[in-house]
Amino acid sequence: TQLLEQSPQFLSIQEGENLTVYCNSSSVFSSLQWYRQEPGEGPVLLVTVVTGGEVKKLKRLTFQFGDARKDSSLHITAAQPGDTGLYLCAGVGNTNAGKSTFGDGTTLTVKP
Amino acid sequence: GAGVSQSPSNKVTEKGKDVELRCDPISGHTALYWYRQSLGQGLEFLIYFQGNSAPDKSGLPSDRFSAERTGGSVSTLTIQRTQQEDSAVYLCASSPRPSSKFFGPGTRLTVL
Repeated sequence: TQLLEQSPQFLSIQEGENLTVYCNSSSVFSSLQWYRQEPGEGPVLLVTVVTGGEVKKLKRLTFQFGDARKDSSLHITAAQPGDTGLYLCAGVGNTNAGKSTFGDGTTLTVKP
Repeated sequence: GAGVSQSPSNKVTEKGKDVELRCDPISGHTALYWYRQSLGQGLEFLIYFQGNSAPDKSGLPSDRFSAERTGGSVSTLTIQRTQQEDSAVYLCASSPRPSSKFFGPGTRLTVL
């Protein structure tokens, strides 16, 4: 069974601060995805990283896939209250691209 | 355009009753997934339909759980003889290809 561990589980910061969320596994994934979920809604895909060492930027969000394709990080610069939500990482396996493994998520609260 | 829709949005039932949860995927998406999410946690894979292939049922927690997808479109997740531990948000997603999932808003199931 492929497991993904996210840290921290909860994060509460002030507007304007920077933060990093981590997603770690002992398994290798063909790709890794980050989702953001708001209360009462389903997760929304933010990014997919495929290549080991890949870095993708989405405005103030920077995503990195580890060289060995076992871990990933999400860095937010100058966080805003609108960034508040549950951030989930999901690993896509080599044998079944449809059956993603999700981490338990990081609940981010950005206070104005 | 229309996204993934799920009904009902909330369902309260008594222990031992059967429930049916419905998912209307995005038109043209060949893949459909069901996940379960406990409060503030990650997603637990339940079942995956891809085109006309046999579904991947490996995530169904017990034989009380079953799912159908009729005509390659609408899907119904059925839980028989519900138990209190079945209480969760049930999320459906569809995708045009395995790695890009579009989630619905979920059905919040409460078993009393």
